Amino acid sequence: DVKVTQSSRYLVKRTGEKVFLECVQDMDHENMFWYRQDPGLGLRLIYFSYDVKMKEKGDIPEGYSVSREKKERFSLILESASTNQTSMYLCASRSGGSGNTIYFGEGSWLTVV
Amino acid sequence: QKEVEQNSGPLSVPEGAIASLNCTYSDRGSQSFFWYRQYSGKSPELIMFIYSNGDKEDGRFTAQLNKASQYVSLLIRDSQPSDSATYLCAVEKGNEKLTFGTGTRLTIIP
Repeated sequence: DVKVTQSSRYLVKRTGEKVFLECVQDMDHENMFWYRQDPGLGLRLIYFSYDVKMKEKGDIPEGYSVSREKKERFSLILESASTNQTSMYLCASRSGGSGNTIYFGEGSWLTVV
Repeated sequence: QKEVEQNSGPLSVPEGAIASLNCTYSDRGSQSFFWYRQYSGKSPELIMFIYSNGDKEDGRFTAQLNKASQYVSLLIRDSQPSDSATYLCAVEKGNEKLTFGTGTRLTIIP
């Protein structure tokens, strides 16, 4: 079974804090993704990575950065958290190639106060 | 126009009936299509995917794809209360990224 683990499930941070969300997958997948999910807006892609040290912007990258130093780990960084970044963040991974399934982690609920 | 569109619902279906969920997409170059189910407070889980025109069946679920009309649907036969969830349609254009619709909330009425 593919396992995508998000280490922080529930976080409360203050405005202006730096926030790290960590994600680890155990299936040697090339591609990893960070989405955020908000009511009425669905899942929106923040960043994705198709290889170590490679990253590409998704649809809403502003205010976020990512790091992929090892194949199994993909981190999302909020350099200076703001209240409009309160959301559920979903990490996902998939093997390279069209049509392959994307697997999600359990989600990280972030509240910025 | 949104890349992937779904009716947000809620869609209410009596237990035992067929639930029909629809999704349209804007990019004719889209290649693969996925249906995910998401229970409240949980992450999405894959139900099935389809990339050829026609029907694909898996148990009580059937995915239907019509590329000429740019829509994909999911039928759930013999609906059960446990099928109550939000169903997400996702589309891939061959660039490794999946674009999701906003989801349809389905409620099965006992």
